Amino acid sequence: EVQLLESGGDLVQPGGSLRLSCAASGFTFNSYAMSWVRQAPGKGLEWVSVISGTGANPNYADSVKGRFIISRDSSRDTLYLQMNSLRAEDTAVYYCAKGAAIVVTATYFEHWGQGTLVTVSS
Amino acid sequence: DIQMTQSPSSLSASVGDRVTITCRTTQSISIYLNWYQHKAGKAPNLLIYDASSLQNGVPSRFIGSGSGTDFTLTISSLQPEDFATYYCQQSYSIPFTFGQGTKLEIK
Repeated sequence: EVQLLESGGDLVQPGGSLRLSCAASGFTFNSYAMSWVRQAPGKGLEWVSVISGTGANPNYADSVKGRFIISRDSSRDTLYLQMNSLRAEDTAVYYCAKGAAIVVTATYFEHWGQGTLVTVSS
Repeated sequence: DIQMTQSPSSLSASVGDRVTITCRTTQSISIYLNWYQHKAGKAPNLLIYDASSLQNGVPSRFIGSGSGTDFTLTISSLQPEDFATYYCQQSYSIPFTFGQGTKLEIK
């Protein structure tokens, strides 16, 4: 059974940093692209970032480009999102999601974690 | 970027009804359109991928169709557990984009 467990969400001040983790199990981690998707309070889903199964081709939404970094550690079967220069508008539940193939193209989100809440506020 | 227009934004229906949600894109995306169900406090759930392929374990009352720029999700006979918010998502090009969501409520 595929399981994705996010952690690292917290209350952080504007301008601060946070690193989210997503521990994966139940599948061959380095065979699938992984993404982060977020949902701000009262809003819809917003794709944030994707990385291929090999760790290549990271891509970002314009809203986080230059501030967030996606990475993965195949020895730990864990996906990360380093979030820097945080803004109030980054407040959201952050979900990690497993893609359907190793590449980032044409990916859909087959499995999702339960999410971790990031609150950016002074 | 490809923009998604999902309609309606909300919908009231009864158990047993047939409902249809539409998703339109600003450029052709072939069949690279996916549908998700999301209940508050839970992980989103993939229903349909590549416009019309039913994800494993999803009931057959969920039917996806369309190609190019116009897509639909039909629930053939609503069940109590289907009341949720539904999103379309294009996987044709990065940045991947979602529709704004359709909240399906009990009448």
